Amino acid sequence: EVQLLESGGGLVQPGGSLRLSCAASGFTFSTFAMSWVRQAPGKGLEWVSAISGSGISTYYADSVRGRFTVSRDNSKNTLYLQMNSLRAEDTAVYHCAKDPDGDLHFDCWGQGTLVTVSS
Amino acid sequence: DIQMTQSPSTLSASVGDRVTITCRASQSISNWLAWYQQKPGKAPKLLIYKASSLQSGVPSRFSGSGSGTEFTLTISSLQPDDFAIYYCQQYSNYSTFGGGTKVEIK
Repeated sequence: EVQLLESGGGLVQPGGSLRLSCAASGFTFSTFAMSWVRQAPGKGLEWVSAISGSGISTYYADSVRGRFTVSRDNSKNTLYLQMNSLRAEDTAVYHCAKDPDGDLHFDCWGQGTLVTVSS
Repeated sequence: DIQMTQSPSTLSASVGDRVTITCRASQSISNWLAWYQQKPGKAPKLLIYKASSLQSGVPSRFSGSGSGTEFTLTISSLQPDDFAIYYCQQYSNYSTFGGGTKVEIK
């Protein structure tokens, strides 16, 4: 069974940093591209970032480019999102998601981890 | 950026009803469109990809159609488990989600 488990969320002040992790199991992690998708409280879904299976290629939404960095450790079956210069509008539940075809649609999602940016 | 517009934003229906949700793209996305279902406090679940391909394990009462800029998700006979929020997503040019359609009990 495919499982994705996010961790690392919490309360952080504006301008601060946080690193999220997503532990994957039940599939050959290195074979699949992965993404982060966020959902602000009571709002819709926003794609944030993607990374290829090898980790060589990365992609970002304009809203986070230059502040967030996606990476992965295929030896640990873990996906990461380093978030710097956080803003109030980054407050959201952050989901990691598996991309079966490398085209940015997602067949499995984690439950998410809440990031709150507030002073 | 490609904008995705869903309608209606809220839909009231009864068990057994046929339900249709529309999603429009601001420019052509061919058939690079997915539909997801989300229940409160849960992760989204993939229903349909490439506009009309049913994801494995999803009941056949769900179907998708369309291409270019206009797409529909149809639930042929609404079941109690189907009351949820539905999102469309384009993945022709990076990824953008629609604003969601809440299907509620009439």
